[in-house]
Amino acid sequence: GIQVEQSPPDLILQEGANSTLRCNFSDSVNNLQWFHQNPWGQLINLFYIPSGTKQNGRLSATTVATERYSLLYISSSQTTDSGVYFCAVVGGTSYGKLTFGQGTILTVHP
Amino acid sequence: SAVISQKPSRDICQRGTSLTIQCQVDSQVTMMFWYRQQPGQSLTLIATANQGSEATYESGFVIDKFPISRPNLTFSTLTVSNMSPEDSSIYLCSVEGASEAFFGQGTRLTVV
Repeated sequence: GIQVEQSPPDLILQEGANSTLRCNFSDSVNNLQWFHQNPWGQLINLFYIPSGTKQNGRLSATTVATERYSLLYISSSQTTDSGVYFCAVVGGTSYGKLTFGQGTILTVHP
Repeated sequence: SAVISQKPSRDICQRGTSLTIQCQVDSQVTMMFWYRQQPGQSLTLIATANQGSEATYESGFVIDKFPISRPNLTFSTLTVSNMSPEDSSIYLCSVEGASEAFFGQGTRLTVV
């Protein structure tokens, strides 16, 4: 099956700093999403981005499907950005089944 | 988008017992998905639930341990049977909208 690798595994920032999270995947995908998991375990949809670039406030994402990677940018980080960020993909014949990366644990200190 | 109501949000259960988790969607969907997240780990797909047919389980998951019901296009249940402490996890249901997936709030299960 498709493999998804995220980097870095952990990231510690001071409030106000910028960061880039990376997601590499091993095959073509029909769907790529970024999620933020809050301390209560809930998954928050950030971006649906199988290709191209999107922006939502301080967050933006870019997926280069031909090179099989996606990037999540967080600018001017805040303590509320802390949590786990997951990249998840649906492979070509997986019919809606998401394969998740291992996640990046982000800690933002005041 | 889809709004998914999942319950219970958390539970503490005795080993050897079973827990049934419910997932209600605000619109009709063909497929619903159940995931498990063990402590400190990523999410892993347990099974796909289709209305009118048996669920399809991923490698490492079996129907006897995780029976699933899908009585209609807006509802599904996952039962965790004969629980052991190793079943302590977050369980999440998911549906696919027009393009992206949406998740319920999750059920945090602790088995003692």
